[in-house]
Amino acid sequence: AQSVTQPDIHITVSEGASLELRCNYSYGATPYLFWYVQSPGQGLQLLLKYFSGDTLVQGIKGFEAEFKRSQSSFNLRKPSVHWSDAAEYFCAVFLWGVDSSYKLIFGSGTRLLVRP
Amino acid sequence: DGGITQSPKYLFRKEGQNVTLSCEQNLNHDAMYWYRQDPGQGLRLIYYSQIVNDFQKGDIAEGYSVSREKKESFPLTVTSAQKNPTAFYLCAIHGGSMNTEAFFGQGTRLTVV
Repeated sequence: AQSVTQPDIHITVSEGASLELRCNYSYGATPYLFWYVQSPGQGLQLLLKYFSGDTLVQGIKGFEAEFKRSQSSFNLRKPSVHWSDAAEYFCAVFLWGVDSSYKLIFGSGTRLLVRP
Repeated sequence: DGGITQSPKYLFRKEGQNVTLSCEQNLNHDAMYWYRQDPGQGLRLIYYSQIVNDFQKGDIAEGYSVSREKKESFPLTVTSAQKNPTAFYLCAIHGGSMNTEAFFGQGTRLTVV
């Protein structure tokens, strides 16, 4: 079955340090992959997406992610974290149903804490 | 966000009562979705609708009901059959390239007292 795994529940980094959030997916075909960010008590905002082509994709707020088919991974990175990046991050894969329906499957999320 | 309005932001319900959460959109999108969010469990799909007067169960539909009488509205009713309704509920529409991107409302936090 299709699934998304985010193995880290919490990650703490110091402000200015680099960041990598892990995401692994299980999907038979070439996946459409997404990263979303959620501030406390808010909805989710799209950071970036991968459909095809260049495996390194750039997003908003200085984030990037790299698609690695051989590892079934789509890890999110940022070279220098700011205190305002503290939030919860969700990886997701897009699924087409046999009836032409479609939906997103989300990972369980990674909460990022930023030390001053 | 961006034309998706959920109300109310906070909702309190007594055990045994049904309660309806509102989701309205003015983006003219066909597909609307309801998710439930619990700490450490990510987002789980409750119901979705891709056309007026039609909807499908998601992964955790038991204890919930929906209607889609208008394109812009997709209300979610949490019934008394839902054993653990306290959660954060998010409504989303799909748009963007090939309708693959989800755009979310600000959410409703439901607490059973």
